[in-house]
Amino acid sequence: GAVVSQHPSWVICKSGTSVKIECRSLDFQATTMFWYRQFPKQSLMLMATSNEGSKATYEQGVEKDKFLINHASLTLSTLTVTSAHPEDSSFYICSASPREGSTGELFFGEGSRLTVL
Amino acid sequence: AQKITQTQPGMFVQEKEAVTLDCTYDTSDPSYGLFWYKQPSSGEMIFLIYQGSYDQQNATEGRYSLNFQKARKSANLVISASQLGDSAMYFCAMREGPGNYGQNFVFGPGTRLSVLP
Repeated sequence: GAVVSQHPSWVICKSGTSVKIECRSLDFQATTMFWYRQFPKQSLMLMATSNEGSKATYEQGVEKDKFLINHASLTLSTLTVTSAHPEDSSFYICSASPREGSTGELFFGEGSRLTVL
Repeated sequence: AQKITQTQPGMFVQEKEAVTLDCTYDTSDPSYGLFWYKQPSSGEMIFLIYQGSYDQQNATEGRYSLNFQKARKSANLVISASQLGDSAMYFCAMREGPGNYGQNFVFGPGTRLSVLP
């Protein structure tokens, strides 16, 4: 299957700082990537759709100024959590799909666990 | 209304036995895809199996098979010969419409499977 890589896997930061998470498609070009957030023992919640060369599309209730998304190339999307606070602590995971049509399955990065002190 | 329902928050199975994880879905779109993902404690999301709405036969991938009952809108995952490494969260997911770069995915709440030695 396709390979999506996410970095860092773990990050601990102080309240008020910003944290950047990178998501790369290693063996395919991804015009669209997806950022999910997952709280403990819960399902994945779509935060935003990252579009290469254009603005991200945010889901209702997700603050676009808090969660900055940049998709500058066909293989890289970044999520920056700005002025992080303890309530932003969560598991963030990105995904992408390599093909139009066909099954369209999502392939996921390893995820990034953010802890804000 | 929930589009994906997984009624079993937790399941136990004895090693080497088979287990069925339930999933029902709700959509009015005639073209859709159904997916199962495994999420071990490390957090990564692993794609297991896919079933298209127009597929006539149930999907199989090694020890995984999908019991697709279209009229009942169910897509249960069957794991045969359970192994200790199968202990994880399992998410049923649906993509509405044709597969276009992973758009329009929705995930169920998940079922935690524990395989007992």
